[in-house]
Amino acid sequence: AQSVTQLGSHVSVSEGALVLLRCNYSSSVPPYLFWYVQYPNQGLQLLLKYTSAATLVKGINGFEAEFKKSETSFHLTKPSAHMSDAAEYFCAVSARRDMRFGAGTRLTVKP
Amino acid sequence: NAGVTQTPKFQVLKTGQSMTLQCAQDMNHEYMSWYRQDPGMGLRLIHYSVGAGITDQGEVPNGYNVSRSTTEDFPLRLLSAAPSQTSVYFCASSPTLAGPESTDTQYFGPGTRLTVL
Repeated sequence: AQSVTQLGSHVSVSEGALVLLRCNYSSSVPPYLFWYVQYPNQGLQLLLKYTSAATLVKGINGFEAEFKKSETSFHLTKPSAHMSDAAEYFCAVSARRDMRFGAGTRLTVKP
Repeated sequence: NAGVTQTPKFQVLKTGQSMTLQCAQDMNHEYMSWYRQDPGMGLRLIHYSVGAGITDQGEVPNGYNVSRSTTEDFPLRLLSAAPSQTSVYFCASSPTLAGPESTDTQYFGPGTRLTVL
């Protein structure tokens, strides 16, 4: 079965600094990969997804992620953090009629 | 267009009680699913449906039942609640018929926070 591992349950950055959230996946078949964001007391919202087209995927709110097959990674980045980016972020992999989420990374943005 | 709605927002049960978590969507989506979210474990798929009358098990189906009599509604039933079912439950939907492996965006409801004493 496929799985994802998110490295770091908490990440803290200063406003304006680079955001890097790490995700590694495991899948026996070519995967579809997603990043979701969850704001407090809300459901999940899709940030971006990889569907085997371009390896660099751009999403909403200035986020992007790069699919690297050789490293089995799909890290999420944003060049300059904003206070409104503070939330929990989930990486997910979808293959063979199943979808698996990572444990999540809570992003804190310091002023 | 309300999207995906869930009721109730909060619920407290005693061990052994039964209840139904309601989920509805007004986007005419074929695919609907239920997840539970636990600290440090992300979201885990409980059950899903690829259309009215069709349901299947996800990663953690034990203790839960579902049915899909209409496109709009996908209730989740706890037959005999246990403390291990204390969690936040999310319902989601997407347009596709293809099931969880599709690349279609899933739209999530606001969640139901359930506590079982």
